Amino acid sequence: GAVVSQHPSRVICKSGTSVKIECRSLDFQATTMFWYRQFPKKSLMLMATSNEGSKATYEQGVEKDKFLINHASLTLSTLTVTSAHPEDSSFYICSARVRTGIPDTQYFGPGTRLTVL
Amino acid sequence: QQQVKQSPQSLIVQKGGISIINCAYENTAFDYFPWYQQFPGKGPALLIAIRPDVSEKKEGRFTISFNKSAKQFSLHIMDSQPGDSATYFCAASYGNKLVFGAGTILRVKS
Repeated sequence: GAVVSQHPSRVICKSGTSVKIECRSLDFQATTMFWYRQFPKKSLMLMATSNEGSKATYEQGVEKDKFLINHASLTLSTLTVTSAHPEDSSFYICSARVRTGIPDTQYFGPGTRLTVL
Repeated sequence: QQQVKQSPQSLIVQKGGISIINCAYENTAFDYFPWYQQFPGKGPALLIAIRPDVSEKKEGRFTISFNKSAKQFSLHIMDSQPGDSATYFCAASYGNKLVFGAGTILRVKS
């Protein structure tokens, strides 16, 4: 149980285009979903926290107009990187917090590798 | 205060040996301490977790030791196998947030 999927797993786009990444909790309802960014051989950096039906809370230094987060349902959150530039190239990982059971547990998706040319 | 310090940065262990990774924290508001395992190009997978009212938790070959007074916790991997080679992250949670350590790259030599 507690499976989180992400789509796509890899995306290559041209500078200036927008890219949407989906995060789904497959077998549970997630009260909260999180978006992280990870640089090579580095730790995970929390970008934003989203609760279903409400606006996302962004971490300091993360541009909310650039990284649009929508949490449409208890099983789906999307991250849209708008007007992507090469410096946005990174590994983006979502996680979902279970609604029941151990409330603090976050289960992570497999990640999405974004390359902006 | 929000940091979780993890050491060592990298670790090489012989097959069958014990791998030990250490973490320390400052914020006493942290109330949940998970460990994650990450393979290259994949998302982190929850390995084992502990709460501060417990001093040790064991699941198979993985054991967390927790020292509340010292604000330290560690992961022990017994009988380490080449398949355990991965990056391990400790984390600490308060409220909604997980704070991650910097990660330890473990290589188990066969």
